[in-house]
Amino acid sequence: NAGVTQTPKFQVLKTGQSMTLQCAQDMNHNSMYWYRQDPGMGLRLIYYSASEGTTDKGEVPNGYNVSRLNKREFSLRLESAAPSQTSVYFCATDAYNEQFFGPGTRLTVL
Amino acid sequence: QKEVEQNSGPLSVPEGAIASLNCTYSDRGSQSFFWYRQYSGKSPELIMFIYSNGDKEDGRFTAQLNKASQYVSLLIRDSQPSDSATYLCAVITRSNDYKLSFGAGTTVTVRA
Repeated sequence: NAGVTQTPKFQVLKTGQSMTLQCAQDMNHNSMYWYRQDPGMGLRLIYYSASEGTTDKGEVPNGYNVSRLNKREFSLRLESAAPSQTSVYFCATDAYNEQFFGPGTRLTVL
Repeated sequence: QKEVEQNSGPLSVPEGAIASLNCTYSDRGSQSFFWYRQYSGKSPELIMFIYSNGDKEDGRFTAQLNKASQYVSLLIRDSQPSDSATYLCAVITRSNDYKLSFGAGTTVTVRA
């Protein structure tokens, strides 16, 4: 079992470019999350999906969109990247309040 | 006011000593509290959770919760170099729609 996987691991974008971060889980969990982690800020929730077909905004949703494609996959899209979106992005799923994180995507926006 | 606050550190302790990490939270109605460990360049992993006032022990780790003071702590006994990491406090809060709110983390370095 791979757990939670994310692609890509690293990405450099220019301001205004778009991209989609992919996340997949093989743990058969209903809930999936996208976080960003910035120095001194901890993990902040961008969007979450309680189940297939539903998505909700978290603490910092501006500039992002998500798609819960099926139970396994939850993608995060940046339509027009900005330098303020330079961060490490983590996807997670959970069961009984324990969250399982993917390896992260390190994104730099120039 | 941040929902979850931690001393950022770094906290440096000698091998074999006790490392004490502190966390305070603002939502008095919070019921569930977690400690995650994050090695440099890696993703967080759960090491402890606590729901009731008092102490909870798991191996060399002890979580302590005081809801009246809105305070949760983590003690690492007999610290080892492999404990060098950032420790994230997380709380399920009503203001975050009952999702986890994370502190900024405390970086611990264990000196051999």
